[in-house]
Amino acid sequence: SQQGEEDPQALSIQEGENATMNCSYKTSINNLQWYRQNSGRGLVHLILIRSNEREKHSGRLRVTLDTSKKSSSLLITASRAADTASYFCATVKTSYDKVIFGPGTSLSVIP
Amino acid sequence: DSGVTQTPKHLITATGQRVTLRCSPRSGDLSVYWYQQSLDQGLQFLIQYYNGEERAKGNILERFSAQQFPDLHSELNLSSLELGDSALYFCASSVARSTDTQYFGPGTRLTVL
Repeated sequence: SQQGEEDPQALSIQEGENATMNCSYKTSINNLQWYRQNSGRGLVHLILIRSNEREKHSGRLRVTLDTSKKSSSLLITASRAADTASYFCATVKTSYDKVIFGPGTSLSVIP
Repeated sequence: DSGVTQTPKHLITATGQRVTLRCSPRSGDLSVYWYQQSLDQGLQFLIQYYNGEERAKGNILERFSAQQFPDLHSELNLSSLELGDSALYFCASSVARSTDTQYFGPGTRLTVL
């Protein structure tokens, strides 16, 4: 079974609005990563948050991690049409373990 | 551009055939990962190599095999192909053995007819 599950499966917002995606996982982790994938293309690493961190920022991205609830959220502020993509959370149980990807959230930002 | 290259971009073949997908990691990266992405299975980790040695195995079928060569490029061999093997196959690379940031290639789209 998959380690991470994103919610919602699909999200449609207007340009300028904020987008929030959530990820829940089942076992303890070393780190959690968020990736973006434009249609049919390779994934792009967005941000990594370690199990001892609670929040990280990168530009318009804000990621939080709650290890007690085994959940993470990705917030994209002031969204743009170019943010339209699928977003995946990926969990790593130990630092040398494989990365397990969730099924992804499809984000559509309407101009 | 991630710096990871994959060839070919597209591959169309018939059931029962064998194909080889090639990946060149970013300069300086020692780890190579292979993933399969399909509509029904999502993104599945297949296998990881680090500096020529197999380091982690995921949901890789026995019909599939991979290797990493001394120049660090990697090949994924898929044999006795079935319709269900049609998918996007991604290669990713990272600097170290630990699974931190991975840089993904553009993928190879395999269609089995």
